[in-house]
Amino acid sequence: QQPVQSPQAVILREGEDAVINCSSSKALYSVHWYRQKHGEAPVFLMILLKGGEQKGHDKISASFNEKKQQSSLYLTASQLSYSGTYFCGTEVGNDYKLSFGAGTTVTVRA
Amino acid sequence: NAGVTQTPKFQVLKTGQSMTLQCAQDMNHEYMSWYRQDPGMGLRLIHYSVGAGITDQGEVPNGYNVSRSTTEDFPLRLLSAAPSQTSVYFCASSRITGVENNEQFFGPGTRLTVL
Repeated sequence: QQPVQSPQAVILREGEDAVINCSSSKALYSVHWYRQKHGEAPVFLMILLKGGEQKGHDKISASFNEKKQQSSLYLTASQLSYSGTYFCGTEVGNDYKLSFGAGTTVTVRA
Repeated sequence: NAGVTQTPKFQVLKTGQSMTLQCAQDMNHEYMSWYRQDPGMGLRLIHYSVGAGITDQGEVPNGYNVSRSTTEDFPLRLLSAAPSQTSVYFCASSRITGVENNEQFFGPGTRLTVL
């Protein structure tokens, strides 16, 4: 079952922050985050394992709340290059089967 | 390193035709997978493989076959194309030695239209 992402879309000005949420109805083993620019392939951002760890990648970070089966991606001081569609992928067991959400389209304007 | 390569980039088929989408990787990755991407649906897993000779079904396997005879190649076969299979198809690969290494590298995609 696909995880649910929210919001569907967000528009930001350069320097603003945003949060993208990813929720699952099932207990999760891991959460993966990818970004896809229009007409291109998805590109890996980070993986989070159960245990509530937070990770960072430049000014993009993420958290994983195992009890709530939720992950959040934080875009801090957004840059024009952050524009794209962000997907979370969830893994229920360590079985290599990723279910992706429908995506959140982020538009950063100057 | 070429990474993950896919051919063709674009394909138009008529209903009922069969074809094979090619995928190859030169990173010696154990894991390979096929996804389809439809507007508003994200990526959906079709089939995957954790090594040569081992394949398994994903979320939407019907109408597709795969085989993995070598570590490098993972072709996807459409048996009898249907308009519902119009989509963008991505192949991806990753290591499986430790979940923190499971970054998936995606190919550039194949845009398939079935008339």
